[in-house]
Amino acid sequence: AQKITQTQPGMFVQEKEAVTLDCTYDTSDPSYGLFWYKQPSSGEMIFLIYQGSYDQQNATEGRYSLNFQKARKSANLVISASQLGDSAMYFCAMREGIDTGGFKTIFGAGTRLFVKA
Amino acid sequence: EADIYQTPRYLVIGTGKKITLECSQTMGHDKMYWYQQDPGMELHLIHYSYGVNSTEKGDLSSESTVSRIRTEHFPLTLESARPSHTSQYLCASSEYRSAGGYGYTFGSGTRLTVV
Repeated sequence: AQKITQTQPGMFVQEKEAVTLDCTYDTSDPSYGLFWYKQPSSGEMIFLIYQGSYDQQNATEGRYSLNFQKARKSANLVISASQLGDSAMYFCAMREGIDTGGFKTIFGAGTRLFVKA
Repeated sequence: EADIYQTPRYLVIGTGKKITLECSQTMGHDKMYWYQQDPGMELHLIHYSYGVNSTEKGDLSSESTVSRIRTEHFPLTLESARPSHTSQYLCASSEYRSAGGYGYTFGSGTRLTVV
């Protein structure tokens, strides 16, 4: 069965420093996608970055990068140059069957990030 | 400006009342979803839809029902609200994006409190 594990309930980072949020996953499907979402205190979910299981290079989107280690089944999010506005909950998510139209996504428990001034 | 709209944003209602949470999207996405999320916790899929007249139950058992009569509209109904239904309900839709697979677009959520 597919599963997402985020072991860090809360993280602190100093403004302008980089931070890594951990995510490990479990699936037997060779075709899957990994996602990171941000949820500010207002409650909406914001899509940040996507990594496909067949992608050779790590995904990057501005200050966000995904450190994809397929053999270890990890998909850590790296935020560079943290800003106060990065304080939020961050969810790692996975969808199986990407190449056959699978579209149900499961989410991890989330990591709350606090950025200190 | 949001492309997926949820109303109401907050709702406090008495036990036993029937309620409908509204969700509409303007992107023409075929796939839509309802997730339930307790504060600070993970999201659980309760319903999803492939398209018009297609709905399925998700991984988390829910006493709610959904309908999909129009592509843009995916309302969720609770026939008789109970305190255990107190939660945040997030609606989402998706299509394939070259930079994001089947990335989801989420609404702002409805925070439901049943007293």
